[in-house]
Amino acid sequence: AIQLTQSPSSLSASVGDRVTISCRASQGISSAVAWYQHRPGTGPKLLTYDASILESGVPSRFSGSGSGTDFALTISSLQPEDFATYYCQQFNSYPFTFGPGTKVDIK
Amino acid sequence: DVQLVESGGGLVKPGGSLRLSCAASGFSFTTYSMNWVRQAPGKGLEWVSYVSTTGEYIIDADSVKGRFTISRDNAKNSLYLQMNSLRADDTAVYYCARESRMGGWFDSWGQGTLVTVSS
Repeated sequence: AIQLTQSPSSLSASVGDRVTISCRASQGISSAVAWYQHRPGTGPKLLTYDASILESGVPSRFSGSGSGTDFALTISSLQPEDFATYYCQQFNSYPFTFGPGTKVDIK
Repeated sequence: DVQLVESGGGLVKPGGSLRLSCAASGFSFTTYSMNWVRQAPGKGLEWVSYVSTTGEYIIDADSVKGRFTISRDNAKNSLYLQMNSLRADDTAVYYCARESRMGGWFDSWGQGTLVTVSS
């Protein structure tokens, strides 16, 4: 199975900060990566897919990048509603796998 | 609006069985593949099972193979997960997730249902 690692595992940031979360795959997966935001008590929310395509309705402050084995999710200006846990997911091959998550909390 | 509503979670003893349901509305259920994804307490997300639009093709994670069975009833716009031989490490919130028609990402999720396996 393809393993995904994320860094950092957690971070503290302030409203207005630029935040970047990294995701690394154990083998090349082209651009087959999606990013999700997950708040407690709700289902995850799709942010980007195919590494860099923004899902309809997602604010433009979110952006995804990368290909091959290295990917990133960037939030250009952190808003209060962005404090959550973020996961990358690969859909290059089964079993689909998720990264361990990055928790973003308030500094 | 797309809605996915899971039900059927609860407390069950090790070795027991449980059947989860997911009621879908607001979209053409028969044209989407569906999945179950779970999250154990304090852990990350884990993909569990996939079923194709017609129910003909099924893929399971190794961790549940031979114990869990995913199915769907397109006439009832419903997805199911029959869970047998439950173990303590199956304790998790189980999410129903719609797979995008364009690829293997999940574009809509339910709110989840909690399954606790404990004696």
